[in-house]
Amino acid sequence: GAGVSQTPSNKVTEKGKYVELRCDPISGHTALYWYRQSLGQGPEFLIYFQGTGAADDSGLPNDRFFAVRPEGSVSTLKIQRTERGDSAVYLCASSFGLAGNNEQFFGPGTRLTVL
Amino acid sequence: KNEVEQSPQNLTAQEGEFITINCSYSVGISALHWLQQHPGGGIVSLFMLSSGKKKHGRLIATINIQEKHSSLHITASHPRDSAVYICAVYGNQFYFGTGTSLTVIP
Repeated sequence: GAGVSQTPSNKVTEKGKYVELRCDPISGHTALYWYRQSLGQGPEFLIYFQGTGAADDSGLPNDRFFAVRPEGSVSTLKIQRTERGDSAVYLCASSFGLAGNNEQFFGPGTRLTVL
Repeated sequence: KNEVEQSPQNLTAQEGEFITINCSYSVGISALHWLQQHPGGGIVSLFMLSSGKKKHGRLIATINIQEKHSSLHITASHPRDSAVYICAVYGNQFYFGTGTSLTVIP
C-alpha cells in the first residue's frame, strides 16, 4: 500500500514569504507528526495530531508556524513570514493509535530553502 | 540540554564486524525507537522497545529502563548497513538523538 507522502519534495522561497507543506499519511493512521531536521542533526518534534486535533503543539518554535488536519487525514504545515533559519527538511510521520507506543512511518520529507 | 545522547557520533567498520551503537536518555519514557536514515533518503523505523530485547534479522536492540540506556547491535555488518542510526524516546513528547553515522567498508 501507499506510504506517507509529502509535497512538494523541494521548496525554495524568499525571506518573508508564506509557505504550505502537505502531508498525506497512511490511510487509517490516526496519529500524525511533524518534525524538522537541520543538516547533521536529529529530527526535532514540532506538533502531533490525534485525529483532527493538535494533541501536542509544544514543539512549534513560534507563532509563525501553524498546522492543521481538518478531516483527520491530510495535514498542512504553514509557515508565515519565512526566515532563513527556517531552512530545513520538514518530515511528516503517521502511526496507528497513540503517540510513542506505535511504530511511526515517515514520509520522504520536504526540503525547504529560504533565501 | 540533550534529553537523548548517542555514542559514537561516527563509526567506521570493516564488513563482517559486530557493531554496537549506544543511546542514553534522561527523561521518563514509555517507549524507545531506533530509526535508520540513509543519505538523501527517508527514515525507516527499525525497532520500538519498552523493555527487554528485540531481534530482526542481523539487528538486535536492547533496553535497560532502570539505567535509561539502550543499545543497537548489528551482527555481520555489510556495506548496505551504512546509514545514520537515530535513537528516539517518547515521554511526554518525542526526543531524538543526533544520530550515529555508520560506514561499513567492504
